[in-house]
Amino acid sequence: EDQVTQSPEALRLQEGESSSLNCSYTVSGLRGLFWYRQDPGKGPEFLFTLYSAGEEKEKERLKATLTKKESFLHITAPKPEDSATYLCAVRHNGGATNKLIFGTGTLLAVQP
Amino acid sequence: EPEVTQTPSHQVTQMGQEVILRCVPISNHLYFYWYRQILGQKVEFLVSFYNNEISEKSEIFDDQFSVERPDGSNFTLKIRSTKLEDSAMYFCASSVWVAGRRGPVYEQYFGPGTRLTVT
Repeated sequence: EDQVTQSPEALRLQEGESSSLNCSYTVSGLRGLFWYRQDPGKGPEFLFTLYSAGEEKEKERLKATLTKKESFLHITAPKPEDSATYLCAVRHNGGATNKLIFGTGTLLAVQP
Repeated sequence: EPEVTQTPSHQVTQMGQEVILRCVPISNHLYFYWYRQILGQKVEFLVSFYNNEISEKSEIFDDQFSVERPDGSNFTLKIRSTKLEDSAMYFCASSVWVAGRRGPVYEQYFGPGTRLTVT
């Protein structure tokens, strides 16, 4: 069964303190790993798609990387406005399926 | 920037009542989805819809649920007889495919959600 596990569940950083969030996955044929940001009471906001091991993508202070078993979301010099829940999701190689399987997320709090 | 919109933002209903949640997907997108998130839990897939028919549904999406695209812009989720356990945030998403190294990838964009409270 396809599974996505995110760690840590919660992370508290000081402004400017860089760190990484982990997403490990078990899926029968990965057809895309997705990172989303979710603010309280809001819908997931698309950040990145990664397709294959070794791929990296960057957006402002965020950088996502992918291996065959896990993905990391690196946050460099975070600011308080980066506080949110970061969700990882995978789409598996199930023919016509487009459904995303989500992890439980990492709740990031950045203190000024 | 185009975005997915959902109405209402909050719906309170009594157990056994029917509710319809509405979504307007991004205009050039062809694939539509409903997900739900029970408070404190994962986002869970309910159903996907393409070319005016359901392409996939989860075990959660039983006979009490239905989806419809009544016109060229709206996409609805109906729950015929709500239960207490249907209380959750319901998210609509839409996607268009993007060429990936191993075939098309469907980047899904989510709406702000409808909070459904069943009392």
